[in-house]
Amino acid sequence: NAGVTQTPKFRILKIGQSMTLQCTQDMNHNYMYWYRQDPGMGLKLIYYSVGAGITDKGEVPNGYNVSRSTTEDFPLRLELAAPSQTSVYFCASSYSIVDQETQYFGPGTRLLVL
Amino acid sequence: AQSVTQPDIHITVSEGASLELRCNYSYGATPYLFWYVQSPGQGLQLLLKYFSGDTLVQGIKGFEAEFKRSQSSFNLRKPSVHWSDAAEYFCAVGVYTGTASKLTFGTGTRLQVTL
Repeated sequence: NAGVTQTPKFRILKIGQSMTLQCTQDMNHNYMYWYRQDPGMGLKLIYYSVGAGITDKGEVPNGYNVSRSTTEDFPLRLELAAPSQTSVYFCASSYSIVDQETQYFGPGTRLLVL
Repeated sequence: AQSVTQPDIHITVSEGASLELRCNYSYGATPYLFWYVQSPGQGLQLLLKYFSGDTLVQGIKGFEAEFKRSQSSFNLRKPSVHWSDAAEYFCAVGVYTGTASKLTFGTGTRLQVTL
């Protein structure tokens, strides 16, 4: 049971390039989330998904897109990378959506846009 | 809207000393509160959570937290810190929106442990 895995661990992008951050969970969780963590800040929610085929915006969705074709995978796409997207990105999943439910986090992807 | 404040950006304690990390929240309803720990280069790991009932919550690694509604606080404590506790600690409030559970995080407190 690997939990939540993310690839790549680190990536450098040039302005205007695109890339996809991969996230996979093997806990059969219906709910998945993408957060970004900027230096000295807490995590902010980018997008979330309540099941395959269903996604919704979080607090900071601009510049990102997501898809959820399977229960296990929740990729995050950056179409036109900008320096403001330099951050650490965390994927998380949870079994249900009630307030009490624990979210399990992946190890993160560090992205640098130059 | 809900918010979480962690007033201490950085704390240094000696190994074996006691620890208290502060967390204050703002939320109109009954809060669901979490403490997560992030070791360098790692993702976030849940330490403990509070939903209801006993206001003193026990977590992993010897940590505990006390919910005080009158002070809107959920401070994290440990009686004797170990060098391996050096990490960043995040307090969060969970909100159920009707379609998903969302976490609002504080800005974190970095703990340094001196030997």
